[in-house]
Amino acid sequence: DVQLVESGGGLVQPGGSLRLSCAASGFIFTNYWMAWVRQAPGKGLEWVANIKQDGSAKFYGDSVKGRFTISRDNAKNSLYLQMNSLRVEDSAIYFCARDAWSSGPDNDYWGQGTLVTVSS
Amino acid sequence: QSVLTQPPSVSAAPQQKVAISCSGTNFNIGKNNVFWYQQFPGTAPKLLISENNKRPSGIPDRFSGSKSGTSATLGITGLQTGDEADYYCAAWDDSLSSAVFGGGTKLTVL
Repeated sequence: DVQLVESGGGLVQPGGSLRLSCAASGFIFTNYWMAWVRQAPGKGLEWVANIKQDGSAKFYGDSVKGRFTISRDNAKNSLYLQMNSLRVEDSAIYFCARDAWSSGPDNDYWGQGTLVTVSS
Repeated sequence: QSVLTQPPSVSAAPQQKVAISCSGTNFNIGKNNVFWYQQFPGTAPKLLISENNKRPSGIPDRFSGSKSGTSATLGITGLQTGDEADYYCAAWDDSLSSAVFGGGTKLTVL
């Protein structure tokens, strides 16, 4: 069975940094793009970033560009999101998702999410 | 303000049908595939419709998707109380070089 398990969330002060991880299993990790999607409390879904199978292409949402970095370690079947210069508005549940990439966000499997709270 | 526009809420009676619209532009829906997600409170989203009108394995044929020009529609027939959820459309936006989601539509089955 496909499993995506996020970790690394927590409470951080504005301006701080946090690194999220997503451990993938049950599928051939190197065959898929991967993505991060977030959801602020009581709000809708917001696409954050995605990364190609070999890491050679990465795309970001406008609100995180220049502050967040998506990466992957194919040897460890793991996806990461390095979040710097965090703002209060970055507070959200962060979901890791497999991206089958069909000319769009074809996120067919999702993790349970990890909560990030940015507050002083 | 989301790039893709959805009605905040829709409602219908059990066994009836409902349509949820998603409006975009020539940079997103007009050029790329549309995807639909279903989300129940406190859970991760679930892919409902892929590539405008394809149902992933396990999705009932009560759910359908269509696209015309810069708009897309999610149709649900034979409504059940268990369909009460939030529904989101999504697409790639060529001008932003990123994916975008609609603001979401809350479905109430009266």
